[in-house]
This record gives sequence, structure tokens and C-alpha cells, in this order.
Amino acid sequence: AQRVTQPEKLLSVFKGAPVELKCNYSYSGSPELFWYVQYSRQRLQLLLRHISRESIKGFTADLNKGETSFHLKKPFAQEEDSAMYYCALGINTGTASKLTFGTGTRLQVTL
Amino acid sequence: NAGVTQTPKFRVLKTGQSMTLLCAQDMNHEYMYWYRQDPGMGLRLIHYSVGEGTTAKGEVPDGYNVSRLKKQNFLLGLESAAPSQTSVYFCASSVSLGRNQPQHFGDGTRLSIL
Repeated sequence: AQRVTQPEKLLSVFKGAPVELKCNYSYSGSPELFWYVQYSRQRLQLLLRHISRESIKGFTADLNKGETSFHLKKPFAQEEDSAMYYCALGINTGTASKLTFGTGTRLQVTL
Repeated sequence: NAGVTQTPKFRVLKTGQSMTLLCAQDMNHEYMYWYRQDPGMGLRLIHYSVGEGTTAKGEVPDGYNVSRLKKQNFLLGLESAAPSQTSVYFCASSVSLGRNQPQHFGDGTRLSIL
């Protein structure tokens, strides 16, 4: 069965410090990985997806199939990055497309 | 731009009562999903639908029923509420074709069962 692991419940960093939110997955098929973010009092929204290979709000994530990881990184944290971050594994079964979420990591950026 | 709208936003029930949560999307998405979010457990899929008139079980379907009579609406029902169903419920929708299609979420419904 598929699984997504986010080992840190809380990550606290200073403004301007580098950020790395860890995500590991287990899945026998071809993985599709996503990062979703939930800012305070806002709905959960897509931050980025591995296939896009893009940088959103300064965040990047590289899929490492050898280590089965999809860590989220940002070189310099900003206060507005404080939020709950969820890593998610997408599975297409042919008749449906489903997401398995990790338990989330709360990022706290302090001055 | 409404996107995905959930009603109600908050509700308190007594054990044994029933209720229905409504999810509506205006993006003409085929797929719709219901999740529950509990502390330390992330989001877990309850039921989902790949189109009007179809539903399927997710990871934690027990105690819930769903219906998708119209493409834009996905209803989640609790027939006999239990304290273990106290949670925040999220609805989401997505297009059906292609890989890596993101899901669009509603604001959530906070449900407390006493």
C-alpha cells in the first residue's frame, strides 16, 4: 500500500534561514508527488507538483526515486511562509485519481 | 470565483443524530472527494466520485454515505453520528483527464459530535 511520511510535525526556522521540509513515500508504481499548503484561515491549496519542475514562491522540490523522497526546499525563509505543509502522493488507477497525504509539517518562521 | 463551496462551516451534533454536508463546485470537474482531517493524521479519504451517479469508498468510509446526483454536488451523510466522527471535513474536486491534476479544496466543515 502507498504511504507518505513527513517526519517533522513542527519546523521552526529564523527568517532568512534555509528551509527543508522532508517527505518520503512508498509506492510500487510510478509516483506523482505534490506539495499542498494551508495558510492560516485559508483553504488547502496546491503549492507545486513534481512534474512541473517549477519554483513557486521560492520553493522547489525534486523527486528522488532512489531515496523515495520529495523534500521541499527554500533558500531563505520569509514570515509569510509560516503555514501547514502537506506532501501528497497521487495515484491514477485508470478509473480514478486519488491522493494519499502525509500528516503534515507546520513551518514556523520567526524573526 | 467560488470554486469549491462547503456548507455548513460549523456544526455541533449529539451522538446518534444525522446530518448531511454539502459540497458544490462550479468548475465542471468530474472528480470529487471527501476527506477528514484529524490532528496528527493528515487528510484521509472517506469517499470519492469519478462522475455523476458514481461513488466509491476511500480509506475510511465506515459510518459515512455519499451521493452524487448532480455533477456539481457531492453530499456526505452521517446517519448516526458518533464522537469518533468529530473532525474537520474537506471536500475537493479535480478534472479527470491526464496525470498530475491538482485537487481544489473547499474551506472545510468543522463538525463536533457530543
